[in-house]
Amino acid sequence: DSGVTQTPKHLITATGQRVTLRCSPRSGDLSVYWYQQSLDQGLQFLIQYYNGEERAKGNILERFSAQQFPDLHSELNLSSLELGDSALYFCASSVQDSNNYGYTFGSGTRLTVV
Amino acid sequence: GQNIDQPTEMTATEGAIVQINCTYQTSGFNGLFWYQQHAGEAPTFLSYNVLDGLEEKGRFSSFLSRSKGYSYLLLKELQMKDSASYLCAVPGSGGYQKVTFGTGTKLQVIP
Repeated sequence: DSGVTQTPKHLITATGQRVTLRCSPRSGDLSVYWYQQSLDQGLQFLIQYYNGEERAKGNILERFSAQQFPDLHSELNLSSLELGDSALYFCASSVQDSNNYGYTFGSGTRLTVV
Repeated sequence: GQNIDQPTEMTATEGAIVQINCTYQTSGFNGLFWYQQHAGEAPTFLSYNVLDGLEEKGRFSSFLSRSKGYSYLLLKELQMKDSASYLCAVPGSGGYQKVTFGTGTKLQVIP
């Protein structure tokens, strides 16, 4: 157990629907990052939050949004889902001023859009 | 921005040594990470290099040359469980936030 908790582990939904993925960071970590990993592709950075505020944005679609709550958990909302959104979605956390240890990843949510 | 290049796939024999290379371009170097990722699982941290040279950690070692924009991960005494993808990653110019990952090298260890 890495200490980063993601729910649900698996999600199957239909095109056009909306889903919410949840992440609880490791205790003490203030930063949360969301990554998307499609089949046989690299980890694509989506967005980062630090202590409730958005800090960095990657190639996140307008149909996707995220937030970090006062208790530091984060949610990634995916709407108007398309088949191509099927992927593993990872959340990672870090202490703002951490060094040498990178991110700690959660076990991911596997989203299948049918 | 950042750009990372790694071989897509490699095969090596159990008990052997394998070197996985990574070249990168980045504005403002803030270190380089290596992660291991088994299929369908979360990446796990292996190493972080910020200075030139070789850092050894048990069977795994990581090398960095900042002037050449080059790193490698060396795996010794390969075991079947080492079959996984190995991801090279560099932080953004703002620090280790927004780490950019390479597409990874899929290593297959054969008997």
